[in-house]
Amino acid sequence: DADVTQTPRNRITKTGKRIMLECSQTKGHDRMYWYRQDPGLGLRLIYYSFDVKDINKGEISDGYSVSRQAQAKFSLSLESAIPNQTALYFCATRGQGDQPQHFGDGTRLSIL
Amino acid sequence: AQSVSQHNHHVILSEAASLELGCNYSYGGTVNLFWYVQYPGQHLQLLLKYFSGDPLVKGIKGFEAEFIKSKFSFNLRKPSVQWSDTAEYFCAVTEKNQAGTALIFGKGTTLSVSS
Repeated sequence: DADVTQTPRNRITKTGKRIMLECSQTKGHDRMYWYRQDPGLGLRLIYYSFDVKDINKGEISDGYSVSRQAQAKFSLSLESAIPNQTALYFCATRGQGDQPQHFGDGTRLSIL
Repeated sequence: AQSVSQHNHHVILSEAASLELGCNYSYGGTVNLFWYVQYPGQHLQLLLKYFSGDPLVKGIKGFEAEFIKSKFSFNLRKPSVQWSDTAEYFCAVTEKNQAGTALIFGKGTTLSVSS
């Protein structure tokens, strides 16, 4: 979905490095989410945000932090990356009311 | 806490076979239900959704799903699969009318269709 853009699309880095994954959207949605996808585990929620002043932890927030710089931007940071954070990361947005979530193309992150 | 269970981890079918993927959720309140599809190397796309009304919902590409409230189920069906349906399928649930509530996903079912 071109309306939700994630950068970078792929990243390989070393243990201990700080990594930032960025997400921007042109849908005008208030709600934004970060998930990670692991084989056999589906998608699990890391953090979500209702608006610029609101940040909430998800199921697996340990080792991650986020920043909602603007309504359209929601960044995910790994302060000190570790190998078990190797995964496919998805950003999603959602409008108000009963609406489905819209996903970005994903960031494939490999930590050596 | 809510949870979603998808019965099959990997389903292998021949073209033209019928498909049914099981999905059960655990939550006592009112929910919205979704099926997402992820084609190889791509992001998740919405296949269909149920918010209210007719419990039989039709989605894109000939897929449909039936919400059976008494069974807490939302099974996905397609009468005749095609090779291009090869993908991973995720069932997801969220609380109805809860602003900002995130989706709870099942672990996914990989569908492989042979031509």
